[in-house]
Order: sequence, then structure tokens, then C-alpha cells
Amino acid sequence: ELKVEQNPLFLSMQEGKNYTIYCNYSTTSDRLYWYRQDPGKSLESLFVLLSNGAVKQEGRLMASLDTKARLSTLHITAAVHDLSATYFCAVDNFNKFYFGSGTKLNVKP
Amino acid sequence: GAVVSQHPSWVICKSGTSVKIECRSLDFQATTMFWYRQFPKQSLMLMATSNEGSKATYEQGVEKDKFLINHASLTLSTLTVTSAHPEDSSFYICSARDAGERQKLFFGSGTQLSVL
Repeated sequence: ELKVEQNPLFLSMQEGKNYTIYCNYSTTSDRLYWYRQDPGKSLESLFVLLSNGAVKQEGRLMASLDTKARLSTLHITAAVHDLSATYFCAVDNFNKFYFGSGTKLNVKP
Repeated sequence: GAVVSQHPSWVICKSGTSVKIECRSLDFQATTMFWYRQFPKQSLMLMATSNEGSKATYEQGVEKDKFLINHASLTLSTLTVTSAHPEDSSFYICSARDAGERQKLFFGSGTQLSVL
């Protein structure tokens, strides 16, 4: 069974600071996704990483993928309060998406 | 961008009744739709994969007679929670894969089910 592990599960940080969320997965896959979820809402797509070495950036968020290490990272630069949410990574494995446990991010003003 | 419409957004029902949740892809054809369940403060758990015109594939531990899935067309999949019980209370989310752009997965807005 495919396992997708995220860490940390909870992250409390001050505005302006940098931090990285890690996503490890247990099987070969070249498609890795990052989503954001606000309380009581569905998922918002952030990034789709389709190949080894892929790096994508949008605003203060940057995601990367290392398929050999089976690792993806979501880096937050100079965090702002609006980034407070739960972030999920997901792996596409044989037409099924498997999600990590999520990282609840709280950015303090 | 692509939109997946999920209805209802929330539903409260009595124990023993059945509830149907609809998931529609509004501007693309979705040969595959997925149903997830999410408990508070937890991740999404894949329940089943629904392919248009064929039987759904259920994940291990998910009762297919309890959670009936129908994918009658390229734009509509339904999940029916039969004889609902309080332990079925959860947030249910559907997603649809664009047949034309298979790397993209779009999510519905979710349905909060509360069974009294």
C-alpha cells in the first residue's frame, strides 16, 4: 500500500519567516501535487510537479520534486497571515490520488 | 478554469435514511471521478474510483453496499450513503480527472453530512 507522509503535521510561525514542509512517499511516482485547504472548504490546487527536478513557484510558495529520493518540498518564503491553512501533498499512483496527512500552518501576525 | 460542482454542500438526516451526493464536471468530460472522505482535522481518504459506464472500484475497507456509486455519464457521478448512521457523518469530497488533461484533478466543494 502506498504511503504518503508529511511533516511537520503542525507548523506555527511568525510572519516574515521561512519554512519548509516535507512530503515523502513510498512508491515510484512522477506526479506530485500540492493543495491548500481552508477550514470547511474543499481543496485548492497549488502545484503539479510532473518530473524529477521539477520546481514551481507561485508568490511566496515554491515546490520541488525529487523522484529518486521520493521527496517533495513546499517552501514558504517570508510567510504572511493569509497563508494560514492546511497544506496537503498527493501522489498520483495508477490513476489514484493518495494524500499525505496534511500540515496545518498557522502564521502569526 | 475547470469546475466541479458538488451538491448538496451540507445535509442533515436521520439515522436509517439514505443520502445522495452529486458530483458534476461542468465544462469538461471526466472519465474518472474519485470519492474521498475526510474526518475533522484529518487527511482525505480515498473511498472509491468511479469510471463512466462501469462499476466503481472501492478501496479496502469501504463497504460497497453502504456507499453506492454511480457514474452514469461523462459529467456526473453520484454517491449514495445508504441507511446512514451517525458514524457516517463526515465531509465527503469528489474529484474529477479531465479526460483531455489527465494530469489535472479538480475537486468539488465538498458535502458535510451529519447523521442524527
